[in-house]
Amino acid sequence: GQQVMQIPQYQHVQEGEDFTTYCNSSTTLSNIQWYKQRPGGHPVFLIQLVKSGEVKKQKRLTFQFGEAKKNSSLHITATQTTDVGTYFCAGRSGAAGNKLTFGGGTRVLVKP
Amino acid sequence: DTEVTQTPKHLVMGMTNKKSLKCEQHMGHRAMYWYKQKAKKPPELMFVYSYEKLSINESVPSRFSPECPNSSLLNLHLHALQPEDSALYLCASSGRGLAGVIWNTGELFFGEGSRLTVL
Repeated sequence: GQQVMQIPQYQHVQEGEDFTTYCNSSTTLSNIQWYKQRPGGHPVFLIQLVKSGEVKKQKRLTFQFGEAKKNSSLHITATQTTDVGTYFCAGRSGAAGNKLTFGGGTRVLVKP
Repeated sequence: DTEVTQTPKHLVMGMTNKKSLKCEQHMGHRAMYWYKQKAKKPPELMFVYSYEKLSINESVPSRFSPECPNSSLLNLHLHALQPEDSALYLCASSGRGLAGVIWNTGELFFGEGSRLTVL
């Protein structure tokens, strides 16, 4: 079945530094979504990417969808303590019946 | 604040108990979902209801029984659970449900979850 892999699993970041988390799918995706889950919280939708090569920005967050629509990335600049949490990508694929498949998540810890 | 409301927030039950988790949304969404999330793991899809009909059952054991009384409510009935069923149970909804073979492509709105402990 469809697999969505995320790396790294953990990211320790110094406050003020940048980092990137990557998402790779075993199948071509129709779209990809990103969610953030704070410790003890629930997943909250961040963004959806649909087009090949699409790039979207939300303040310090930059999301990218690969040309082949099989991978995506989230880049955060000038990390703040409010960025702590687990970031999940979730992809939809026609090959998987258009179900949303979550990646394993990247857990982000920020060192002040 | 989330627009998907789940009750109870915490539940402790024995293996012989029968309990229910409840979920409510008033956003007019026509697809509703149950997910199970273990610690440090991603949400795992259990059931999907679209237009109040069960669309997907991800081979979930029969000790979990979903119910969708109307377009705003979703229940998960629990019976004879095992300790390994202890987890955070998340309800979610989305804008458009399954229509023919065309799936909704929109975002999921998650509730805050019901944290279940089975003793």
